[in-house]
Amino acid sequence: AQTVTQSQPEMSVQEAETVTLSCTYDTSESDYYLFWYKQPPSRQMILVIRQEAYKQQNATENRFSVNFQKAAKSFSLKISDSQLGDAAMYFCAYCMNRDDKIIFGKGTRLHILP
Amino acid sequence: GAVVSQHPSRVICKSGTSVKIECRSLDFQATTMFWYRQFPKQSLMLMATSNEGSKATYEQGVEKDKFLINHASLTLSTLTVTSAHPEDSSFYICSARDPTSTVPEQYFGPGTRLTVT
Repeated sequence: AQTVTQSQPEMSVQEAETVTLSCTYDTSESDYYLFWYKQPPSRQMILVIRQEAYKQQNATENRFSVNFQKAAKSFSLKISDSQLGDAAMYFCAYCMNRDDKIIFGKGTRLHILP
Repeated sequence: GAVVSQHPSRVICKSGTSVKIECRSLDFQATTMFWYRQFPKQSLMLMATSNEGSKATYEQGVEKDKFLINHASLTLSTLTVTSAHPEDSSFYICSARDPTSTVPEQYFGPGTRLTVT
């Protein structure tokens, strides 16, 4: 069965600094999708970034980028120039294909220090 | 992006009563919707997958007779918590899949906070 592991329950970063959130996963599939979701205090789930496993190039969305290491089954999220609005729970997630359910990690709570 | 709404946003009910939560896709037709439960400071736990016009598929350990899911139209799925008890108090989130997307794309509702007294 596929699993997603986030080993950092909480992290803190100074405003304007860079922070990296870790995620590892386990799967026997060769094609799949990985996601990072943000859940702010409002609890609305927001898609931050998506990576397709067949693409070697790391996905980037403005200040957010991933380091996708397929062989190591690692998928970390880097947030550059951290802002107060980045404070939230961040969930790493996996999905096998378009029609499959999404499996979430336990989450990392990110605190931004002013 | 696509919008998914949930109603109500919060509800308080007495133990033993039933409560219905609605999940609507506002600007697309969703053949598949998902229901999650989230305890405080925890991750989302998938409860069931709801397919329009057919029975929901429940995850292991989820009581299908207690959490009734109906997906009667392409824009509406409902979760009914029957004979609610305090331990059913939780945050319930739905999501809907856009069938026109070529990649897995789920849009999440804002969630419903259920408190059973």
